[in-house]
Amino acid sequence: AQSVTQLDSQVPVFEEAPVELRCNYSSSVSVYLFWYVQYPNQGLQLLLKYLSGSTLVKGINGFEAEINKSQTSFHLRKPSVHISDTAEYFCAVRTFSADKLIFGTGTRLQVFP
Amino acid sequence: GAGVSQSPSNKVTEKGKDVELRCDPISGHTALYWYRQSLGQGLEFLIYFQGNSAPDKSGLPSDRFSAERTGGSVSTLTIQRTQQEDSAVYLCASSLDRSGANVLTFGAGSRLTVL
Repeated sequence: AQSVTQLDSQVPVFEEAPVELRCNYSSSVSVYLFWYVQYPNQGLQLLLKYLSGSTLVKGINGFEAEINKSQTSFHLRKPSVHISDTAEYFCAVRTFSADKLIFGTGTRLQVFP
Repeated sequence: GAGVSQSPSNKVTEKGKDVELRCDPISGHTALYWYRQSLGQGLEFLIYFQGNSAPDKSGLPSDRFSAERTGGSVSTLTIQRTQQEDSAVYLCASSLDRSGANVLTFGAGSRLTVL
């Protein structure tokens, strides 16, 4: 069965600094990978997805993620964060044949001025 | 509709009462999912519908939880005899079909507080 581990529950960072949110996945078969963002009192919104092809995936709001199949990681990065990026970020995995998306426990990104 | 709609957005109930949470998915989306979000627990899968059938209900925590979907559209999650540990945000999502490549579109959630 697949699983997802988000290594940091909280990441504090100053505005305009770079950030990396870490995600490791576990699966014995090929997977699809996703990052979602949840702003306060809102539902989840897709940031980016990896289905196949290039290991580097670009998403909305300047975020990108790179899959490393040897390390089974899918870390999310942004070179310069804004106050508005303050939110909860969820990594998720799904195998090709699975019916459901499995989520990590989330990482709260707090951007300070 | 344009997005996934959930109601009520907030529900406060007393322990032992029954509650119903409603999800109206995006028109044409055949797959519908319920997740539960508790503080510090991430998103916990509850049940998945393809059309009106529920091939996977493995995440329902107990027999107090049930869900149905009618007309391949609206879904209702029912919690009977609510307990304080049921307090959480219940999120509904839909996708075009069950293909793993399809993106799930989430509603804003229903926040349930059991006193």
